[in-house]
Amino acid sequence: DAGVIQSPRHEVTEMGQEVTLRCKPISGHDYLFWYRQTMMRGLELLIYFNNNVPIDDSGMPEDRFSAKMPNASFSTLKIQPSEPRDSAVYFCASSYGQGNTIYFGEGSWLTVV
Amino acid sequence: QKEVEQDPGPLSVPEGAIVSLNCTYSNSAFQYFMWYRQYSRKGPELLMYTYSSGNKEDGRFTAQVDKSSKYISLFIRDSQPSDSATYLCAMSAVGGGSNYKLTFGKGTLLTVNP
Repeated sequence: DAGVIQSPRHEVTEMGQEVTLRCKPISGHDYLFWYRQTMMRGLELLIYFNNNVPIDDSGMPEDRFSAKMPNASFSTLKIQPSEPRDSAVYFCASSYGQGNTIYFGEGSWLTVV
Repeated sequence: QKEVEQDPGPLSVPEGAIVSLNCTYSNSAFQYFMWYRQYSRKGPELLMYTYSSGNKEDGRFTAQVDKSSKYISLFIRDSQPSDSATYLCAMSAVGGGSNYKLTFGKGTLLTVNP
């Protein structure tokens, strides 16, 4: 299996611009997670989906962040407008069923200048 | 007080050393405890998983949980340069395995020198 695929791997953008991060989960997995990792706060869960439905978005920092999962093989995390404090590594992860191993992608490294 | 505390290190040891990594936590509802390994510029991968208190061994790795002290440990025996990575503890109050409501420590950076 190819694993969880994320794009872009690296993004540098100017403050105020829209950023869209993309994720393809492992085929057959029914849970999808978006995490953010920073030196200051570590790894934080932003939102997760089950069968394409958002279940818990309590970790989404503010209205500038939105996530969608239009089908079982694709999800996006959008930041509009972006700010320098959004600079972080954003990980997408997926799992099959509750209580099973979560597989992480290699991350999208976002820098907002 | 943060829910999960983990010394960020860095920790540098010679090859063959025994490594001890630790986390403390404050939420007594945590039941499931995990250790993830994260290589540089990669995503975390599950290394060990333990339910409630006790020990679990897998090859050179041993995970220990002491719920009475709210303290978990990961021991690495005969450490190898390939063990050089950031190790993150994670825990959850519901579900099993690597479940969705994981709370992570910030990670300890380990370097094993040949």
